[in-house]
Amino acid sequence: DTAVSQTPKYLVTQMGNDKSIKCEQNLGHDTMYWYKQDSKKFLKIMFSYNNKELIINETVPNRFSPKSPDKAHLNLHINSLELGDSAVYFCASRQLSTDTQYFGPGTRLTVL
Amino acid sequence: GESVGLHLPTLSVQEGDNSIINCAYSNSASDYFIWYKQESGKGPQFIIDIRSNMDKRQGQRVTVLLNKTVKHLSLQIAATQPGDSAVYFCAEMNTGNQFYFGTGTSLTVIP
Repeated sequence: DTAVSQTPKYLVTQMGNDKSIKCEQNLGHDTMYWYKQDSKKFLKIMFSYNNKELIINETVPNRFSPKSPDKAHLNLHINSLELGDSAVYFCASRQLSTDTQYFGPGTRLTVL
Repeated sequence: GESVGLHLPTLSVQEGDNSIINCAYSNSASDYFIWYKQESGKGPQFIIDIRSNMDKRQGQRVTVLLNKTVKHLSLQIAATQPGDSAVYFCAEMNTGNQFYFGTGTSLTVIP
């Protein structure tokens, strides 16, 4: 009964490929997030999304796009992968009326 | 832009001692702050939070102190245990409901 789950846990791919990471939350939360954690452990917000609004961090390349098929899912699509995209990507969710975020276990992306 | 930084990237303490992890933030308009614990191979886990109308909040073995005058946040862990070894992040929430994280402090507890 994992609250926030991500698949896959590990993803190794070639430069130039297109890939997706899936995220699901079973908490009934209305807001979901994607973060990127680099090799120095720095966590940077990429997107926040609820059924009303998508907020994009302006530093995120447009090769990255979130897709939400329903309230419980926020998938991350990445086009034309680059070496610098290698990182651990975390999904998180939160009920907007509260402030606590719950994080998924992370997806380690390696671009060769 | 947002900037949340930590004074010490690593911290080693003896088991049973108290630990103090510090954090500086730059956005004086932030009104909500959180501490997270991240163990190896896992996602960040909420520890404790504090709102800007408070200067201290206590949880189980943890205390967060907020000094708005100098924009400083600290996490105190009492009687540190080996299971407390992890990377600790402070984060602030801006008016757009987005969270900005500091660089992290790696805490190592020496048995």
